Amino acid sequence: GENVEQHPSTLSVQEGDSAVIKCTYSDSASNYFPWYKQELGKRPQLIIDIRSNVGEKKDQRIAVTLNKTAKHFSLHITETQPEDSAVYFCAASSLTSGTYKYIFGTGTRLKVLA
Amino acid sequence: NAGVTQTPKFQVLKTGQSMTLQCAQDMNHNSMYWYRQDPGMGLRLIYYSASEGTTDKGEVPNGYNVSRLNKREFSLRLESAAPSQTSVYFCASRQGAIADTQYFGPGTRLTVL
Repeated sequence: GENVEQHPSTLSVQEGDSAVIKCTYSDSASNYFPWYKQELGKRPQLIIDIRSNVGEKKDQRIAVTLNKTAKHFSLHITETQPEDSAVYFCAASSLTSGTYKYIFGTGTRLKVLA
Repeated sequence: NAGVTQTPKFQVLKTGQSMTLQCAQDMNHNSMYWYRQDPGMGLRLIYYSASEGTTDKGEVPNGYNVSRLNKREFSLRLESAAPSQTSVYFCASRQGAIADTQYFGPGTRLTVL
């Protein structure tokens, strides 16, 4: 079946450094790739997304890149801050049975050290 | 505009008991989803509904049933709870025809003893 692999599972960086999280998907029909941030005890919230017709998207300190040929997409966070500490999930979405189904990666716990 | 709401927030069941988790959205979204989240395993899709009156199985449907009562509400039922169903359950919804983001509810933390 479809799956999404996410690496690393944990990531520690010094405040001000950059963090990169990578995901690989298996379903070539996937065409939408959101990234969610989840703080402890809270619901996942969208931080950035990218569609398959775009190679890169940036929103202030956050960027996402997509390589459709290799089925890879990555989250880049620059100038990390302590409030960036959370679990980050990638997902790949494709049209199934009249709607879009999302397959999630297993998450990356990011710790930003002050 | 409350977004996606879930009840209850917490629940403890004994093995074999049944219960229904409720989810409602007020954003006029067509599609709704139920996920479970276990440590180290991300979010796994249990069931989803493309529109009122339709439901489909996701990755881990065994032991669960769902009802799309109307456009707003999508409930998840555990007929005979098992310890393996201890998890955090999230409901989500999204608008419609194009690929776009899901909006999640606050979650239900379920413990089965």
